[in-house]
Amino acid sequence: AQSVTQPDIHITVSEGASLELRCNYSYGATPYLFWYVQSPGQGLQLLLKYFSGDTLVQGIKGFEAEFKRSQSSFNLRKPSVHWSDAAEYFCAVTSGGSYIPTFGRGTSLIVHP
Amino acid sequence: NAGVTQTPKFRVLKTGQSMTLLCAQDMNHEYMYWYRQDPGMGLRLIHYSVGEGTTAKGEVPDGYNVSRLKKQNFLLGLESAAPSQTSVYFCASSYVAYEQYFGPGTRLTVT
Repeated sequence: AQSVTQPDIHITVSEGASLELRCNYSYGATPYLFWYVQSPGQGLQLLLKYFSGDTLVQGIKGFEAEFKRSQSSFNLRKPSVHWSDAAEYFCAVTSGGSYIPTFGRGTSLIVHP
Repeated sequence: NAGVTQTPKFRVLKTGQSMTLLCAQDMNHEYMYWYRQDPGMGLRLIHYSVGEGTTAKGEVPDGYNVSRLKKQNFLLGLESAAPSQTSVYFCASSYVAYEQYFGPGTRLTVT
């Protein structure tokens, strides 16, 4: 069965610092990978996705993620965090043959001024 | 283009009451989903649909029913609400297995 692990429940960074959120997956088929962001009181919004091709993908709000098949990882990065990036971040995986994405438990990002 | 909308945004029910949550999407997506989100539990799939007239159970279907009579609408029903169903409910839609588009959520409290 497919699974997604986000090992960090909470991460605290200072504004302007760099950020990396970890995501590891277990999936037999070629995965489709996603990162979503959820601001307080809101629904989830897609940040970026990977289906195939270049393993470094760019998303909205200055985020990027790198797919590493050998490590079964799809970590999210941002070079300089802004206070407005404080939110919950979810990694998800699916495939062309599956109707149902599997979500990680989420990582809560706290940004200190 | 409104995307995914959910009605109502907030609701308080007494134990044993029933209600229906409405999800509507205007993107002509085939797939629609209902999730619940509880602190520390992430998103849990309640039911989903892969097309008009079809529904299927997700991870936590007990106590809920769904219907997809029209492609653009996906209804979630609680026949006899229980305090354990206090949660935030999200609807989502997608074009086959690609990225999901989420609604703003319905915050339900059962007393």
